[in-house]
Amino acid sequence: DAGVIQSPRHEVTEMGQEVTLRCKPISGHDYLFWYRQTMMRGLELLIYFNNNVPIDDSGMPEDRFSAKMPNASFSTLKIQPSEPRDSAVYFCASSPLAGGYEQYFGPGTRLTVT
Amino acid sequence: TQLLEQSPQFLSIQEGENLTVYCNSSSVFSSLQWYRQEPGEGPVLLVTVVTGGEVKKLKRLTFQFGDARKDSSLHITAAQPGDTGLYLCAGEDTNAGKSTFGDGTTLTVKP
Repeated sequence: DAGVIQSPRHEVTEMGQEVTLRCKPISGHDYLFWYRQTMMRGLELLIYFNNNVPIDDSGMPEDRFSAKMPNASFSTLKIQPSEPRDSAVYFCASSPLAGGYEQYFGPGTRLTVT
Repeated sequence: TQLLEQSPQFLSIQEGENLTVYCNSSSVFSSLQWYRQEPGEGPVLLVTVVTGGEVKKLKRLTFQFGDARKDSSLHITAAQPGDTGLYLCAGEDTNAGKSTFGDGTTLTVKP
């Protein structure tokens, strides 16, 4: 299996622009997670899905962030409009287990907003 | 929200030395996972511990779950430069239906 695939690996954009991050989970995994990692705040859970349905989005910072999972093999995280404080590494992870407690992470997208 | 505290935050040692890092909480977890993250990559799952007092070994790495399932430790014997990375623990928060991650221990092993 190719593992969790994320694109792009790096994104540099200007403040105010829309950013879309993409994720393809491991086939057969029912849980999908979006995380943000910074030096200051560590690894933060933004939102997670079970069988394509959003279960907990309490970690989404504000309305500028949105996530979708239109099918079992694809998810997006969108930031509109982007701000410099959104600069971070964004990870997607998937899990085959009930509750999603063993997670397989993608390589991440490093986002820089100038 | 259940919190996990990891210590030390940073650790720098010479190749061949032994080390232990800790993951502590005041809450009980149903299971606990350890991950290692190398620079520029995502975290990689190393192990899951489930039973209080459980010990698991992965080559030179030994993982232990506390008897009360509130804490865990990771011991590395004869550390190698390839062990360098960020070590994260994550607890299964059954009430919240998700995992809680600690802030991690950054380990540097110098050749």
